[in-house]
Amino acid sequence: EADIYQTPRYLVIGTGKKITLECSQTMGHDKMYWYQQDPGMELHLIHYSYGVNSTEKGDLSSESTVSRIRTEHFPLTLESARPSHTSQYLCASSEYSWTGRGGYTFGSGTRLTVV
Amino acid sequence: AQTVTQSQPEMSVQEAETVTLSCTYDTSESDYYLFWYKQPPSRQMILVIRQEAYKQQNATENRFSVNFQKAAKSFSLKISDSQLGDAAMYFCAYLPQGGSEKLVFGKGTKLTVNP
Repeated sequence: EADIYQTPRYLVIGTGKKITLECSQTMGHDKMYWYQQDPGMELHLIHYSYGVNSTEKGDLSSESTVSRIRTEHFPLTLESARPSHTSQYLCASSEYSWTGRGGYTFGSGTRLTVV
Repeated sequence: AQTVTQSQPEMSVQEAETVTLSCTYDTSESDYYLFWYKQPPSRQMILVIRQEAYKQQNATENRFSVNFQKAAKSFSLKISDSQLGDAAMYFCAYLPQGGSEKLVFGKGTKLTVNP
């Protein structure tokens, strides 16, 4: 079944550690996105990609970086985690709206806690 | 820039009753998509219902229906025969057709279903 997968589901890590949050999708979608969800549940776009070797920063400034070497894979990396990075991170993918469907498919999220 | 406003941070409904969640949006575009997403506690965000702006007929998915008023830029979600499993955060979202292809989310409405 086509879907989008995020690992790990939960992560507790010490300050200064490097971490990578994984996101993979099996739907062949060109577009992929990373959102940070704050405690009030509001969603903030931090990175997006329209295809391989295409990445852009989103509306909310983030110290994280992303890469898109393969269509199905869109990992997010924090070089040096800080307590301010504690949040829920959601990955999503979608088709282009002219396909007649539009809309996003979301992963289950990674809840990151930096201590 | 397009904006999406959900004026009800929290709503509650009795099981089996009907509840309506409000959403307004601001855009100068004529072609776009509107969505309602549901995010249950600690679970994956899923698409509830989708509306194409060029369609006058309101979308319906089982117990979920929308009241789409294009001139008023209003897109409310009605949940009939509410069930305990409907308890979740509900996000209204706007997607322009073509262009940036980035979803614009409202801040969400937390729905509680009382037994």
